[in-house]
Amino acid sequence: EAGVAQSPRYKIIEKRQSVAFWCNPISGHATLYWYQQILGQGPKLLIQFQNNGVVDDSQLPKDRFSAERLKGVDSTLKIQPAKLEDSAVYLCASSSKTGAVSPLHFGNGTRLTVT
Amino acid sequence: EDKVVQSPLSLVVHEGDTVTLNCSYEVTNFRSLLWYKQEKKAPTFLFMLTSSGIEKKSGRLSSILDKKELFSILNITATQTGDSAIYLCAVEGWASGTYKYIFGTGTRLKVLA
Repeated sequence: EAGVAQSPRYKIIEKRQSVAFWCNPISGHATLYWYQQILGQGPKLLIQFQNNGVVDDSQLPKDRFSAERLKGVDSTLKIQPAKLEDSAVYLCASSSKTGAVSPLHFGNGTRLTVT
Repeated sequence: EDKVVQSPLSLVVHEGDTVTLNCSYEVTNFRSLLWYKQEKKAPTFLFMLTSSGIEKKSGRLSSILDKKELFSILNITATQTGDSAIYLCAVEGWASGTYKYIFGTGTRLKVLA
């Protein structure tokens, strides 16, 4: 079974620039998550999709972050404009949860550096 | 407010030692607790616990959950340098109409040869 795919692996941008991350979850997984992990901290949920609908985006800074999951498969996360404090690893995860208990499966993440 | 607290924050041991990592939680409508190992970037899944008192075991790693006292422990016996990593605990609970996972800050384990 192929795992969660993410790209790019690394990205360096200047503040006020924009950036986009892409995620392809495990085939058949209905739930997709984007997490932000700042160095020394645990992952923090940014947004959770169930199929192509948003079920939780309460911690997404909506003035600069946006995400979509068209057709309930791939997802993109965008930051515009980026700030220094956005430097972090952005992790995408998926689970087969449709009412059942199931673990999160993570991609390798994208390390973003904002200078 | 829901929270997950891991201890210790960091730990340095020598190969062959046994370590115990702790995860305590206060989460609304608990459903499951997960342990992950994070070496580079992607956390890799270790265990999922849903019932109290049932030990999950995989090789030298084992974990158990206490839903009455609201904590879990992860044990690693006969540690090896390859066990050096950050160990994350995540708790799944119900809030705002959906199940969601809350992560602790992790325990950074370093195993010296």
